[in-house]
Amino acid sequence: DAGVTQSPTHLIKTRGQQVTLRCSPKSGHDTVSWYQQALGQGPQFIFQYYEEEERQRGNFPDRFSGHQFPNYSSELNVNALLLGDSALYLCASSLGGADTQYFGPGTRLTVL
Amino acid sequence: AQKVTQAQTEISVVEKEDVTLDCVYETRDTTYYLFWYKQPPSGELVFLIRRNSFDEQNEISGRYSWNFQKSTSSFNFTITASQVVDSAVYFCALNSGGSNYKLTFGKGTLLTVNP
Repeated sequence: DAGVTQSPTHLIKTRGQQVTLRCSPKSGHDTVSWYQQALGQGPQFIFQYYEEEERQRGNFPDRFSGHQFPNYSSELNVNALLLGDSALYLCASSLGGADTQYFGPGTRLTVL
Repeated sequence: AQKVTQAQTEISVVEKEDVTLDCVYETRDTTYYLFWYKQPPSGELVFLIRRNSFDEQNEISGRYSWNFQKSTSSFNFTITASQVVDSAVYFCALNSGGSNYKLTFGKGTLLTVNP
């Protein structure tokens, strides 16, 4: 039973660039949530996708956007990268929004 | 508003010692869910336990146990006879259910178990 997978593992970008991160949910799950984890901090909720729509959004600017595909996989896009966007980006999947969220290994983004 | 406080930033113990990680939460909702996750150096958050607000029974799973007390808004986690493999950052998280789907995390407690 495959768990949550994310790609790429690491990414280095420069300020102003755009980045796309990808997530495949655990088998049987239909909901994907994205979190940003800065060094030494707890994860912060970015948004959640269900039925290909953004169902809830955290306190992040519009530069952060996402998408969910019919097969439940999801992408996180960040435009106009800032140095402060450097973080570990975690994807979590669940069966429905209120179910336990299971996390992937994360994508480490470094913005130079 | 939801808030989770993990006052212990770092804890260091010697193998076989018992250790308790504290978690205090704030929410106005009567229905909510509490979680503990473990984050080893690899970075992946590993789910440990979920508790709903109506179930105050303590839970034991092997060397792990959890003490949920609504009266003090606490959900503490104890590792008995700690092992080096328990070294990780541990996060407590809160979800108030209903139409609120996000997890609110504490800042985490770094546990180091020395041989």
